[in-house]
This record gives sequence, C-alpha cells and structure tokens, in this order.
Amino acid sequence: DIQMTQSPSSLSASVQDRVTITCRASQSVSNFLNWYQQKSGKAPKLLIFAASNLQTGVPSRFSGSGSGTDFTLTISSLQPEDFATYYCQQGYSTPLTFGGGTKVEVK
Amino acid sequence: EVQLLESGGGLVQPGGSLRLSCAASGFNFRSYVMNWVRQAPGKGLEWVSGISGGDIKTDYTGSVKGRFTISRDNSKNTLLLQMNSLRAEDTAVYYCAKATYYDSSGYLYGMDVWGQGTTVTVSS
Repeated sequence: DIQMTQSPSSLSASVQDRVTITCRASQSVSNFLNWYQQKSGKAPKLLIFAASNLQTGVPSRFSGSGSGTDFTLTISSLQPEDFATYYCQQGYSTPLTFGGGTKVEVK
Repeated sequence: EVQLLESGGGLVQPGGSLRLSCAASGFNFRSYVMNWVRQAPGKGLEWVSGISGGDIKTDYTGSVKGRFTISRDNSKNTLLLQMNSLRAEDTAVYYCAKATYYDSSGYLYGMDVWGQGTTVTVSS
C-alpha cells in the first residue's frame, strides 16, 4: 500500500496569511494526487485533482503543485471560511490512501 | 442537481451484519466508478471500497476484504455495501462518493461528489 504523510498535522494562522501544506507519498504516484477540505461534521470537498487542477467552483487562492512523491497545497491568502482540515489522497493505485490530515486553526 | 444519499447505518453487535445503500441522482450513474469512504470518530478518512461503472471490477482495502462486498444496481442508480462480521473498529461514518471523471479514468482524479454520510456503530 502507498503511505501518504502530511505535514504539519496542525497549524495556526491568521486571515490573509499564506498557508502551505505538504504531502509525501511512500512511492511515486505520478501526478495522481488529490486534495480535499473537510469542515467539522461535513463531508469532504474536492479542491484539487491531479496535483494542480482546480476543481470547478473552488477559489483561485487554492493551488497545488508537485509530482512523483512530493506535493504541496497552498492557500495564498487565508479566508475565514478556510479554517478546516485538509487531506491529500493518492489515486494512483488501490487501495486508495489518504494522508492523516492537516488542521488549520485560528491563531 | 447531482446528489448522493446514504442510508442503512445503525447500531449492530460485533459479528453482526449491515447493508448500506446510496441513492444517486442527477448524473449518468452507470458511467462512473463509485466508492465507499469511512471516517472513525475523531479520525481521518479511509477509503473502504470501489466499483467500476460496469460492475466488472471491485476493490477493497485490506482490513475489509472477505467481510465487505460492494455492488451496484445501475437500473436503480444505487450503490450498496454489504458488511458482515462487523468489528468495533468498523465504527465510523460511511460516505459514498463518485469518481470525478468517467469510468475509463478509474480512481485517478479523486472523488468530486459525496453524500452526507451514514453512521455505523458496532458495539455490544
């Protein structure tokens, strides 16, 4: 199974901060890396697919980069509605696997 | 509107069985890989199982192989998960989720539509 490791597991930030979350795969997943946002008690929401493609309707302050084993999710200017938990997920091979999550909290 | 609605969750004793359903609407159901993803209380997301659009190929995470069976009824736009020999560690919210692109792309591009989830509690 491909292991996905996210860092940090949590971070504190303020509105308008630039936030970066990293995700590392235990082996290459090419560019088949997806990012989700989950708010408390809600279903996850797809933000970015195939490493850098913004899902329809997602604000452009979200961006993704990387390939192979190392990936990054960036929020260019954090907004109040962005405080949530973020997960990476590889779609390269089954079983599909998620990172452990990064909780973005108010500083 | 594209929508997924899960049902069938509840409280079950260890060793028991439960069948989850997911009713899909607003898209060509038979053309998409469908998935079950779960989240234990206070924990992260775990992919459980997936099935191709034509019901030809099924996949499972290791901890549920031989106990859970995924299936679909394309005539009724319904995804199913039969769960047998349930354990305490299967306690979770179970989500059904649609693959982002057509069946030929498989699991590659993530899951773009999710249901609201149904809660399964395994306890004596």
